[in-house]
Amino acid sequence: DIQMTQSPASLSASLEEIVTITCQASQDIGNWLAWYQQKPGKSPQLLIHSATSLADGIPSRFSGSRSGTQYSLKISRLQVEDTGIYYCLQRYSNPPTFGGGTKLELK
Amino acid sequence: QVQLKESGPGLVQPSQTLSLTCTVSGFSLTSNSVHWVRQPPGKGLEWVGAIWSGGSTDYNSALKSRLSISRDTSKSQVFLKMNSLQTEDTAIYFCTRNNYYFDYWGQGVMVTVSS
Repeated sequence: DIQMTQSPASLSASLEEIVTITCQASQDIGNWLAWYQQKPGKSPQLLIHSATSLADGIPSRFSGSRSGTQYSLKISRLQVEDTGIYYCLQRYSNPPTFGGGTKLELK
Repeated sequence: QVQLKESGPGLVQPSQTLSLTCTVSGFSLTSNSVHWVRQPPGKGLEWVGAIWSGGSTDYNSALKSRLSISRDTSKSQVFLKMNSLQTEDTAIYFCTRNNYYFDYWGQGVMVTVSS
């Protein structure tokens, strides 16, 4: 199975700050990576797919990038509503595997 | 619009069988696969298994011996059955539509394994 190592596990940032979360894949997964946001008591919401493509209705302050087998989610100007837990997911091969999650809080 | 909704018992006794239903609308089960993902309280997401648009299935290798996923396309329903439940199976169970990625999710159903 492909392992997705996500970091940091938790993060505290200020309003308007730039935030970056990363996922390292254990092998090449091409661009088969997605990012999700999950708020308490809710199901995950797709933010980014295909490593860099913004999902429908997602604000443009979210962006995704790739460097080799390392993938990053960047929030350019943190807003109050961006708090929650973020997960990466690889869809290159079965079984699909998630990163361990990053809990993002406001400082 | 696309919707998925999980249903099933909230409490299951240890060693018993869990039966969950995912009822979908806004798409066809013969066009998109449906996956199950679970989340233990306070923990991350774990892929459980899938039923593909052609009807074949894939399971998490750690759960494979206890798990069965099936569907009724005429009712737009997907079924999950897991036997020999243990406390470690306590989790929120989500069904989600696969469109290359998991793009729509149900609200989830909390399943507690306890006597």
